[in-house]
Amino acid sequence: DAKTTQPNSMESNEEEPVHLPCNHSTISGTDYIHWYRQLPSQGPEYVIHGLTSNVNNRMASLAIAEDRKSSTLILHRATLRDAAVYYCIGNFNKFYFGSGTKLNVKP
Amino acid sequence: DGGITQSPKYLFRKEGQNVTLSCEQNLNHDAMYWYRQDPGQGLRLIYYSQIVNDFQKGDIAEGYSVSREKKESFPLTVTSAQKNPTAFYLCASSIAPGLHQETQYFGPGTRLLVL
Repeated sequence: DAKTTQPNSMESNEEEPVHLPCNHSTISGTDYIHWYRQLPSQGPEYVIHGLTSNVNNRMASLAIAEDRKSSTLILHRATLRDAAVYYCIGNFNKFYFGSGTKLNVKP
Repeated sequence: DGGITQSPKYLFRKEGQNVTLSCEQNLNHDAMYWYRQDPGQGLRLIYYSQIVNDFQKGDIAEGYSVSREKKESFPLTVTSAQKNPTAFYLCASSIAPGLHQETQYFGPGTRLLVL
């Protein structure tokens, strides 16, 4: 089965950058990489997506490896409101939202 | 305001009872999805629909049924055949058919509990 690999948890200090990694070794050439985040008892929220090039928006940046088998979500200055579970998904894992990475932000 | 609504927020089911969870969207999206989330776990796809009057099973469709009679609505029925229905149910939609590149927009979820 196509799966992604993400660390179970990460910790960051407030106002510091955070790099959340994701491995997706079975990705195909047309698969987009999507990142979502989920706060407790809420539905996931879209963060960013990309295909080949690095992408930036007001929430985050997405750095995609040249071979596209991994990507990194970058939060440039973590805030307490960024504490959530972050999911890396795409058709390469049939939109399977695995356990994701739980990000803890310390004040 | 455009968005996805789910109702009710909490739902209680008795043994042997069928219950239906509502999902409505006014985003004019063609595709809609149902996911189940167990405590501390990720989301698993139950059913998805790419167009009206058509839907496909996801990874855990057993014990569930859906219908897509209108573009705006995608109700999920949890049947008595689903032996462990206690979970958080999330509905989502995306602009166009096809799972591989479209951003999904999620509703607030329905928490189902068994009495």
